[in-house]
Amino acid sequence: AQSVTQPDIHITVSEGASLELRCNYSYGATPYLFWYVQSPGQGLQLLLKYFSGDTLVQGIKGFEAEFKRSQSSFNLRKPSVHWSDAAEYFCAVALRGSASKIIFGSGTRLSIRP
Amino acid sequence: KAGVTQTPRYLIKTRGQQVTLSCSPISGHRSVSWYQQTPGQGLQFLFEYFSETQRNKGNFPGRFSGRQFSNSRSEMNVSTLELGDSALYLCASSLDRGTQNTEAFFGQGTRLTVV
Repeated sequence: AQSVTQPDIHITVSEGASLELRCNYSYGATPYLFWYVQSPGQGLQLLLKYFSGDTLVQGIKGFEAEFKRSQSSFNLRKPSVHWSDAAEYFCAVALRGSASKIIFGSGTRLSIRP
Repeated sequence: KAGVTQTPRYLIKTRGQQVTLSCSPISGHRSVSWYQQTPGQGLQFLFEYFSETQRNKGNFPGRFSGRQFSNSRSEMNVSTLELGDSALYLCASSLDRGTQNTEAFFGQGTRLTVV
């Protein structure tokens, strides 16, 4: 069955420290890959996406993610976090040709330590 | 350019009632998808509409239905509400130019509380 795994439920990092959020997927073929962010009570904002091409993807707010086919992973990184990055982060996948049907991971809640 | 607009933002209903939620996609977007978000189940795909036709469907009971109008606006309906239907319902729209897929843009959601 298709699935997305985010192994970390909650992560706390200090402001200015680096961040890596893990994501693994299980799919028959390489899907489209996304990272979304959600602030409390809000909708989802797309941080970045991978459809094809360069496996290192740059997104908004200084985030980047690397697609590793051999590990079925799409980890999100940021070199230096800001207090405003505190939110819930969702890794997501969609089948090629069906990008509108998105399967989400369970999310990772990010807290920032002053 | 206006984003995805969902109305209403908040709704309180009683068990057994029905409810209709509305979603206006980004201008030019023809695909509209609906998702349910709960603390226990996370984000789950409900269904997708494209050019007024349901194109994909998730694993939800028949009490959950939707439709899309000729201007791409979409509504979802939940009949015979249950306490477990309390959730944030998110709508997303995408351009979807045939084989060239694009990303989905989400609205702020409608928070439904069933009492």
